[in-house]
Amino acid sequence: EADIYQTPRYLVIGTGKKITLECSQTMGHDKMYWYQQDPGMELHLIHYSYGVNSTEKGDLSSESTVSRIRTEHFPLTLESARPSHTSQYLCASSPDLGTGGRDTQYFGPGTRLTVL
Amino acid sequence: AQKITQTQPGMFVQEKEAVTLDCTYDTSDPSYGLFWYKQPSSGEMIFLIYQGSYDQQNATEGRYSLNFQKARKSANLVISASQLGDSAMYFCAMREGRMGSARQLTFGSGTQLTVLP
Repeated sequence: EADIYQTPRYLVIGTGKKITLECSQTMGHDKMYWYQQDPGMELHLIHYSYGVNSTEKGDLSSESTVSRIRTEHFPLTLESARPSHTSQYLCASSPDLGTGGRDTQYFGPGTRLTVL
Repeated sequence: AQKITQTQPGMFVQEKEAVTLDCTYDTSDPSYGLFWYKQPSSGEMIFLIYQGSYDQQNATEGRYSLNFQKARKSANLVISASQLGDSAMYFCAMREGRMGSARQLTFGSGTQLTVLP
């Protein structure tokens, strides 16, 4: 059973606002990920982290930024929200099990963001 | 080229019957993992089953089994004895790369399964 949390679950906000989407996990996983998903579509990786102070951009270009100051916490920030940022944002984490390990990604419940 | 292809945008199945959701993948990496996730209308992604490229046997988890045909690069999900609660979007995903890489997941476009009473 995965213990990964995201807040808020739903957010409606006006254009130009700064927002931070929170993601926390209590499993001690080193690796964490942010995905963006439009309704009914596939997930696209926008950020990932190997561990504390390690962050990388994913395949899908995003104007958001992330930080990883603590193992359990991986927040995503949009400095100036726009309607094009309207989407669902899913956070995930996985263990680093070493060679041959099955590093299943466990997902949080997601944040549905609407920018007006 | 698509790395993960799910050719069935929507599927219907009668309650208590079995259903197969198709997934084909494309990779030149000898080491990879294949995953299936379920996404109900509430939005969360629920891990269902995993198959490693070197696994000799098809994976099974309760009512879920994975029909892994390596030569054909297919990893179909079989759900036996469908239940109304199985109605959801199902995503196939692949993780390429050896240890030390980011080991990102690449997702297919999903199949919307509807279980009929």
